[in-house]
Amino acid sequence: KNQVEQSPQSLIILEGKNCTLQCNYTVSPFSNLRWYKQDTGRGPVSLTIMTFSENTKSNGRYTATLDADTKQSSLHITASQLSDSASYICVVTTDSNYQLIWGAGTKLIIKP
Amino acid sequence: EPEVTQTPSHQVTQMGQEVILHCVPISNHLYFYWYRQILGQKVEFLVSFYNNEISEKSEIFDDQFSVERPDGSNFTLKIRSTKLEDSAMYFCASSENVPSSYNEQFFGPGTRLTVL
Repeated sequence: KNQVEQSPQSLIILEGKNCTLQCNYTVSPFSNLRWYKQDTGRGPVSLTIMTFSENTKSNGRYTATLDADTKQSSLHITASQLSDSASYICVVTTDSNYQLIWGAGTKLIIKP
Repeated sequence: EPEVTQTPSHQVTQMGQEVILHCVPISNHLYFYWYRQILGQKVEFLVSFYNNEISEKSEIFDDQFSVERPDGSNFTLKIRSTKLEDSAMYFCASSENVPSSYNEQFFGPGTRLTVL
């Protein structure tokens, strides 16, 4: 069964600190992996998209990694800001019908 | 920057009533989607729509649901007889093309549906 699991479920860090969020997936056939940021009560916004051949991609202070062999991805946030407080969702697209398989998200809280 | 818009932002309805949720996708996009997110749970795919017909739908999208593109801009989701468990955030999304490797879906801000 196609699944995306994320950890931790929630995370609290101090402003300015770094953090890493994890994503494991069992999706086949694999097309791409996306990280979304979802502010409370808002729609998801794409941060990065990676295909099978890409193992790292950055978007400002966000860096995503992908290990297609172990089917793991991480999202590293550098020098966190209060505005980084949000849910971060890992989403994997299947290569068969291009449907998005959603993780449950990691709720990140940045404290001043 | 073009964006997906949704109205209303919050809809409260009585159980058994019909509701229509409205979306205006990005103007040059061809694929449209509805998702829902029950409070505290994962985002769930409902339906995708292309060329005036449903491309894919999930098990959630039963006979109580329908989608329509009544004119060149709006994309609607209708729930015929709402149930308590339909209470959720409903997101509309659009993409320029089928969501292949780099084709992104852009999400609207959502409509919060509360069924009493």
